[in-house]
Amino acid sequence: ETGVTQSPTHLIKTRGQQVTLRCSSQSGHNTVSWYQQALGQGPQFIFQYYREEENGRGNFPPRFSGLQFPNYSSELNVNALELDDSALYLCASSRGSGRANYEQYFGPGTRLTVT
Amino acid sequence: TQLLEQSPQFLSIQEGENLTVYCNSSSVFSSLQWYRQEPGEGPVLLVTVVTGGEVKKLKRLTFQFGDARKDSSLHITAAQPGDTGLYLCARWGYSTLTFGKGTMLLVSP
Repeated sequence: ETGVTQSPTHLIKTRGQQVTLRCSSQSGHNTVSWYQQALGQGPQFIFQYYREEENGRGNFPPRFSGLQFPNYSSELNVNALELDDSALYLCASSRGSGRANYEQYFGPGTRLTVT
Repeated sequence: TQLLEQSPQFLSIQEGENLTVYCNSSSVFSSLQWYRQEPGEGPVLLVTVVTGGEVKKLKRLTFQFGDARKDSSLHITAAQPGDTGLYLCARWGYSTLTFGKGTMLLVSP
């Protein structure tokens, strides 16, 4: 069984640019959630996708957007990057909608640095 | 937002010592999860506690859920360097998982 994978591992962008992060969910999982983890903090929920539809969103502005594809992989897009967007971005996959509190499996994350 | 307060923020101990970390909230949890995150990795689920007063053991780790389901603790017996990591508690809301800030544990040989 393949675990959750994320790409790229590290990324450096300039303020104002746009970035796309990618996540492949674990085999058999149809739900993907994205989290932002700033240095010294716990992960903060960005949004969740279930069967290609957004299924919940945290307190993040609209410049954070996402997609889920028919194979349940997912993208996180961030426009107009700001310095505070520098963080570890984590993807987690699970089986079923988040409402049922299914166990989430996290990927290793993408470390984004905005200069 | 129902915050999760974790304490201490940072703990540095020697191999073989015992320790306890805490997770508290002013709100009642339907369930609570504990995760460990090692450097360069995503969090890994250790346990889910559901019932007030519940105690679960995972080798040298003992997890307790408070009777009122507002707090939880994680006790590690005879800590080892491999226990080093960020310990996070988290609670489920509507399709969201809310984390505390975590306790960073460093176990030195």
